[in-house]
Amino acid sequence: AQSVSQHNHHVILSEAASLELGCNYSYGGTVNLFWYVQYPGQHLQLLLKYFSGDPLVKGIKGFEAEFIKSKFSFNLRKPSVQWSDTAEYFCAVNAPGGGFKTIFGAGTRLFVKA
Amino acid sequence: GAVVSQHPSRVICKSGTSVKIECRSLDFQATTMFWYRQFPKQSLMLMATSNEGSKATYEQGVEKDKFLINHASLTLSTLTVTSAHPEDSSFYICSAPDTNYGYTFGSGTRLTVV
Repeated sequence: AQSVSQHNHHVILSEAASLELGCNYSYGGTVNLFWYVQYPGQHLQLLLKYFSGDPLVKGIKGFEAEFIKSKFSFNLRKPSVQWSDTAEYFCAVNAPGGGFKTIFGAGTRLFVKA
Repeated sequence: GAVVSQHPSRVICKSGTSVKIECRSLDFQATTMFWYRQFPKQSLMLMATSNEGSKATYEQGVEKDKFLINHASLTLSTLTVTSAHPEDSSFYICSAPDTNYGYTFGSGTRLTVV
């Protein structure tokens, strides 16, 4: 069965600091990978996704993620965070072999200090 | 872009009553709809997968008689929480796959059972 592990449950950063959120998944076959963001009081929004091709994926608001197949990882990065990036971030995976059911990680709460 | 409209956004009901949550795909056909539940400060847990014109597939541990799912058309899927109890209070979210945007989420329904 698929599973997704996010290493950090809470992260606190100052503005302009660099961000990297870890995500590892377990599934041996082809996968689609996603990062979603949930701002306070709002619903989930897609940040970026990887289906195939270039393993370095660029998303909205300056976020990017790198798919490293050998490490089963899809870490999210941003060079310089802003106060408005305060939110909860979810890594998610689905697989054609798994019926495209999207499985979510536990989430990482990011708080950016102004 | 692809939009999934979810209603109601908030509902408060008395214990023992039933509540219906609707998700409509507004500009695309959703042959599949995923239903998730999100407890406070936790990730999304997949409850069931509905497919238009057939019975829903429930995840292990989810009571199919309590959470009735109907997917009668290509644009509408409903989740009915029957005989609701306080422990059913949660945030329920639907999601439909869209090849252009990955997965589009509804805005969620916050159910409070008193």
